[in-house]
Amino acid sequence: DTEVTQTPKHLVMGMTNKKSLKCEQHMGHRAMYWYKQKAKKPPELMFVYSYEKLSINESVPSRFSPECPNSSLLNLHLHALQPEDSALYLCASSQDSRRTVPYEQYFGPGTRLTVT
Amino acid sequence: TQLLEQSPQFLSIQEGENLTVYCNSSSVFSSLQWYRQEPGEGPVLLVTVVTGGEVKKLKRLTFQFGDARKDSSLHITAAQPGDTGLYLCAGETRSNDYKLSFGAGTTVTVRA
Repeated sequence: DTEVTQTPKHLVMGMTNKKSLKCEQHMGHRAMYWYKQKAKKPPELMFVYSYEKLSINESVPSRFSPECPNSSLLNLHLHALQPEDSALYLCASSQDSRRTVPYEQYFGPGTRLTVT
Repeated sequence: TQLLEQSPQFLSIQEGENLTVYCNSSSVFSSLQWYRQEPGEGPVLLVTVVTGGEVKKLKRLTFQFGDARKDSSLHITAAQPGDTGLYLCAGETRSNDYKLSFGAGTTVTVRA
C-alpha cells in the first residue's frame, strides 16, 4: 500500500480565516513533506519533517504553520492567507530521509486551496 | 536555475504516435524518479532508476537512466488518451539531503 491521504479535497477560505490541512500515511514512513504547486508547474518544497521533527523550512511565511503530531500525521495550519497562496497543496512521505535506496516520495492527492 | 532541465515543455500528439521526454542535468543523481500527474491530483510515481545505463519498462513506457547518471528519458510507444498528463522527473543528489530536485515538467496531450 503506497497511499497518502489528504483532507479536505477542496478548501475555500477568506483572508481572515484559520483553517488546517491534514495528511495521513500508514506506510511506516518516517519523513513527511508539504509542497505547494501552481498550475502546470512542478511542486515547490515547503517543509520537511524527519522522525517527527521539523528538518527543513524553505523560508515559508509564518502564515503557514506545520505540525507533526505523530509519525503518521502531518498538518498544515493556515492563517491570514493571501490570494496568491491559492494553489494545490501536496503532502508526501518517504521511507527514511537518511539515504534509503532508492529514495522515493509518495504523494497524496492534494488539497485545492482558494483564498478569496 | 533548475538542477534538472526537462524538455519539451509541451507535447501534443495523435493517438498511436510515439513520444519521448528528456530530463538533463550537469549533476550526478543517486536516483531519479518519473511521475505522472493529472489535473487536480497528486503526482503518481511511475518508476525509480538507480543504476547508470538502467532501462526499465512499464507496459508501453520505457525509462532510461544515462550511464553517467546525469540524464534520463521517458519513451511512450503508441500513446493513448489515458497517457495525457503532466510528466515530472525528479532526482536526488547526495548533496541535497531530504530533497528532490524537480524538472519543470512536460505537459503531454494525446488526441483521440
